[in-house]
Amino acid sequence: DAKTTQPPSMDCAEGRAANLPCNHSTISGNEYVYWYRQIHSQGPQYIIHGLKNNETNEMASLIITEDRKSSTLILPHATLRDTAVYYCIVRGVYSGGGADGLTFGKGTHLIIQP
Amino acid sequence: EAGVTQSPTHLIKTRGQQATLRCSPISGHTSVYWYQQALGLGLQFLLWYDEGEERNRGNFPPRFSGRQFPNYSSELNVNALELEDSALYLCASRDEGRTNYGYTFGSGTRLTVV
Repeated sequence: DAKTTQPPSMDCAEGRAANLPCNHSTISGNEYVYWYRQIHSQGPQYIIHGLKNNETNEMASLIITEDRKSSTLILPHATLRDTAVYYCIVRGVYSGGGADGLTFGKGTHLIIQP
Repeated sequence: EAGVTQSPTHLIKTRGQQATLRCSPISGHTSVYWYQQALGLGLQFLLWYDEGEERNRGNFPPRFSGRQFPNYSSELNVNALELEDSALYLCASRDEGRTNYGYTFGSGTRLTVV
């Protein structure tokens, strides 16, 4: 699976849009970009995933660059409850569980400031 | 729809003892994944079960083992507990028939070895 690079931490003011970047320059054509978040001591929560088109759901938007080498997760109106570690993961479509399930890096610790 | 459930929530064991952790996947999901998250560290893949078979395991010693039952629930067993086994153990399930769909995690079992 392609490796991802994320900033270790970010701050965002409550009510503003939080934009979390992720670089995945070695992504393959059949690999999806997944985003999860983990609130302290809880299990990771699925947020969104995409292949090449931008995606939006009730939680967030995912913007993937045309060359697919990077993406941005957007939380449109951040709240204090969005404070968490956000993981960007690249995963092949037909890899099933794969050799290691999902590979979690260190993620970005997003802190929403009141 | 019930999510992934794990039990117990907390478990305290003495070094050298055995621990058994349980996981019930989402109804209809046939795959179960186990992860270990030690304090301050990322999620490390432990085991993957699908259709009752162990499909793959991470870089953990053989004293970490498990099984999957006909109803797709799963047990993780840790023998000869060591202090460094203290961690949050997370279980995730997935519908392998939908290979581009996300994983759903449980809330975890906090194992403390004293």
